[in-house]
Amino acid sequence: GENVEQHPSTLSVQEGDSAVIKCTYSDSASNYFPWYKQELGKGPQLIIDIRSNVGEKKDQRIAVTLNKTAKHFSLHITETQPEDSAVYFCAASKPRNYGQNFVFGPGTRLSVLP
Amino acid sequence: ETGVTQTPRHLVMGMTNKKSLKCEQHLGHNAMYWYKQSAKKPLELMFVYSLEERVENNSVPSRFSPECPNSSHLFLHLHTLQPEDSALYLCASSQDRRSLGYTFGSGTRLTVV
Repeated sequence: GENVEQHPSTLSVQEGDSAVIKCTYSDSASNYFPWYKQELGKGPQLIIDIRSNVGEKKDQRIAVTLNKTAKHFSLHITETQPEDSAVYFCAASKPRNYGQNFVFGPGTRLSVLP
Repeated sequence: ETGVTQTPRHLVMGMTNKKSLKCEQHLGHNAMYWYKQSAKKPLELMFVYSLEERVENNSVPSRFSPECPNSSHLFLHLHTLQPEDSALYLCASSQDRRSLGYTFGSGTRLTVV
C-alpha cells in the first residue's frame, strides 16, 4: 500500500524567512496531494493541493511542487509569519472503488520565531 | 468554526466506562469520517460513512463502534477502551466519498485512565 514520508519533523525559521517541507510517496498511482495545516486545538485545514497533471501551484505565500518521476512533493512558504506556526501534514491519495483514500504523512511542526 | 462540530472537546474515561463521541455537520455533505490522531503518528482512518454504505479500516478494534443515523450526524461509541486508545479523534466530512475536499472538526481529546 501507499506510504508517505515527511521531513523534517520539526522546523524553526525566523520570521520573514522561507520554509520548505518535503514529502515522498511510494505508490505511483497516487494522483492527488493535499497539504493540511493544524493549529493548536483545531482540526486540520486544507491550505493547498495539487493534482498529478500539474507540476506547481501557488497561492499567495504558499506554493506546492510535484515531481512525479521522483515521487516527491514539497510545500514552500515564503515570508513566514508567526501565524504560520502550526503542524503541517501532507497526504497522497488515489481513487478507489469506494472513493478517495488519503494516506497522511506524520507531520511537521513549524515554528516561526519573531 | 469549520462547519463540522465535535462534542465533547475533552473526555476522560476509565477502561470500564462506556461513552460516545458526537460529530455534526451542516454543510450538506454526504460522507463522514472518523480519524484517530496519535502523537507522532500519521492520521489514521477508522471509518467512512456515506449514503451508500459504511467502509471501515479492518484494523480498528471492535471496542470502537460507529453509528450514522443520518447524513448530518456521526457517533463513535466507546467501550472497554485501553490506555493506548488515548488520542485526538477527528471527524471529517466531504461532499461524497469521491470528493477531494475534506472538512475536519476540532476533535475530541480522549484520555483513557
